[in-house]
Amino acid sequence: AQKITQTQPGMFVQEKEAVTLDCTYDTSDQSYGLFWYKQPSSGEMIFLIYQGSYDEQNATEGRYSLNFQKARKSANLVISASQLGDSAMYFCAMREGLRTGGFKTIFGAGTRLFVKA
Amino acid sequence: AAGVIQSPRHLIKEKRETATLKCYPIPRHDTVYWYQQGPGQDPQFLISFYEKMQSDKGSIPDRFSAQQFSDYHSELNMSSLELGDSALYFCASSFGQGDYEQYFGPGTRLTVT
Repeated sequence: AQKITQTQPGMFVQEKEAVTLDCTYDTSDQSYGLFWYKQPSSGEMIFLIYQGSYDEQNATEGRYSLNFQKARKSANLVISASQLGDSAMYFCAMREGLRTGGFKTIFGAGTRLFVKA
Repeated sequence: AAGVIQSPRHLIKEKRETATLKCYPIPRHDTVYWYQQGPGQDPQFLISFYEKMQSDKGSIPDRFSAQQFSDYHSELNMSSLELGDSALYFCASSFGQGDYEQYFGPGTRLTVT
């Protein structure tokens, strides 16, 4: 069964520093996608970055990058130059069976990030 | 850019009543996902539709049903509401069957009293 593990319930980072949020996953499928979402206190789910299992290069989107290590089944999110507005809950998610029509997407328990001024 | 639209944004119902949540995907997106997020929890996948057909099913109670219409909008129907159904319900949309990002709507906050 597919599973997402985020082992850091909460993290603190100093403004302007980089931070890594951990995510490991478990799947027997060969084609899957990994997502990171940000959920501020206002409640909306904001898409940050996506990595497909067949992508050879790590995904990057502005200050966000995904450190994808397929053999270790990890997909850590790196936020560079943290800003106060980055304080939020961050969820890692996975969708299996991309090439066989699978759509079920599971989420990790989330990591709450606090950025200190 | 156009985003996913959900209505209503807030809904208060009593136990045993019914509720209908609506989702309008991003234009050209043909896939819709529904999620339920309880207080302090991660989103739980309920059901998805691709090209107006149910494509996958998660932890959706039998009291709930959903469909995707010809214009790709989707509705989640919830009957015999229980207190435990109080949650934030998200709809997300994506394009195609392959590896594409899912974009979430703002959510509908359902409160059952």
